[in-house]
Amino acid sequence: QSVLTQPPSASGTPGQRVTISCSGSSSNIGSKFVYWYQQFPGTAPKLLIYRNNQRPSGVPDRFSGSKSGTSASLAISGLRSEDEADYYCAAWDDSLSAWVFGGGSKLTVL
Amino acid sequence: EVQLVESGGGLVQPGGSLRLSCAASGFTFSTYWMTWVRQAPGKGLEWVANMGQDGSEKYYVDSVKGRFTISRDNAKNSLYLQMNSLRAEDTAVYYCARDKNMDVWGQGTTVTVSS
Repeated sequence: QSVLTQPPSASGTPGQRVTISCSGSSSNIGSKFVYWYQQFPGTAPKLLIYRNNQRPSGVPDRFSGSKSGTSASLAISGLRSEDEADYYCAAWDDSLSAWVFGGGSKLTVL
Repeated sequence: EVQLVESGGGLVQPGGSLRLSCAASGFTFSTYWMTWVRQAPGKGLEWVANMGQDGSEKYYVDSVKGRFTISRDNAKNSLYLQMNSLRAEDTAVYYCARDKNMDVWGQGTTVTVSS
């Protein structure tokens, strides 16, 4: 199992707001920045959120990140069919001296 | 345009070796940390290793320590991953990514370890 815990799936209807959680510990999320990646089937991942809540240029403001204690969340508002993808959280882990990923959450737009 | 292009993947027998390459362009390669990430078939992302700009700092996931070696040639704008003593569980798509926080990714190269 992954060091960071994500729900395996999430879903919503177009226009809705959905959130995906990412739970860790004091050695990773609790003390380090959280990053989120979006991956469509058969393609490379793409950085979606960096340093907990910052968006790279080109990422719509419908995507937002937050962190509290040892947990983080990715929120997607105004859900669109093209948001259907896998989402991964990640952070550096001081105890492991390694980056750790969540197991990924598959977002389905109903 | 910032671009990363991996190569070197293929089919290898258990216990064998393979060297992956990642050609970088569109940015000053020598000023960035670089990272390898892999994804087994149908599975999630797994960070494999990263290294600093001058190669003095390197980190590995426990499962590859002693078997994989990350290296770079700043003159050639290239990153490498030497993989020895390969196991079936190393079968994956291997991505190279820019920086510690993986802000730009290549398209990946597939490694299959099977007899």
